[in-house]
Amino acid sequence: KNQVEQSPQSLIILEGKNCTLQCNYTVSPFSNLRWYKQDTGRGPVSLTIMTFSENTKSNGRYTATLDADTKQSSLHITASQLSDSASYICVVSRFNAGNMLTFGGGTRLMVKP
Amino acid sequence: SQTIHQWPATLVQPVGSPLSLECTVEGTSNPNLYWYRQAAGRGLQLLFYSVGIGQISSEVPQNLSASRPQDRQFILSSKKLLLSDSGFYLCAWSGDVSNQPQHFGDGTRLSIL
Repeated sequence: KNQVEQSPQSLIILEGKNCTLQCNYTVSPFSNLRWYKQDTGRGPVSLTIMTFSENTKSNGRYTATLDADTKQSSLHITASQLSDSASYICVVSRFNAGNMLTFGGGTRLMVKP
Repeated sequence: SQTIHQWPATLVQPVGSPLSLECTVEGTSNPNLYWYRQAAGRGLQLLFYSVGIGQISSEVPQNLSASRPQDRQFILSSKKLLLSDSGFYLCAWSGDVSNQPQHFGDGTRLSIL
């Protein structure tokens, strides 16, 4: 079954600290993996997209990694800011399935001052 | 640049009433269009997607329907709402290439009383 599991479900960190969110998937055949940020009450916004051949991709203070062999990805946030408080969603696309996506349940991150 | 609009932002409807949610995209032509539902603390669930005018694919059987009367307009409808239809409904668009991100609207929060 094609699934995307994220951990932890929720996380609280202090402003300025780093954190790492995890994503494991069983989606096959794999096409690409995406991380989205979703502010409360808003639609998700794309942070990164990684294909099979990409191991890491950065977008400002966000760095995503991908290990296609173990089917794991992580999203590392450096020097967190209050505005990083949001849900972070890992999404996997299946090869030859057009733009059909399998969504993880998300990690809710709260950054406290 | 491309933008996506959804309305209304919030909606409270009685059980058994009809529903019509509208989504429009600007700045692109022939987009793939999607309707998702997001239950609290859950991953996004794809409801419908469309690759062209009048072409609708349904992912989950339910009492909702979708229509695409124009290239950049996507409508989610119901003749009779159920309590279980409550949720956060998101519209998204993407280009035709599988490695392109999906761009989401800001959603409609639907509450059924």
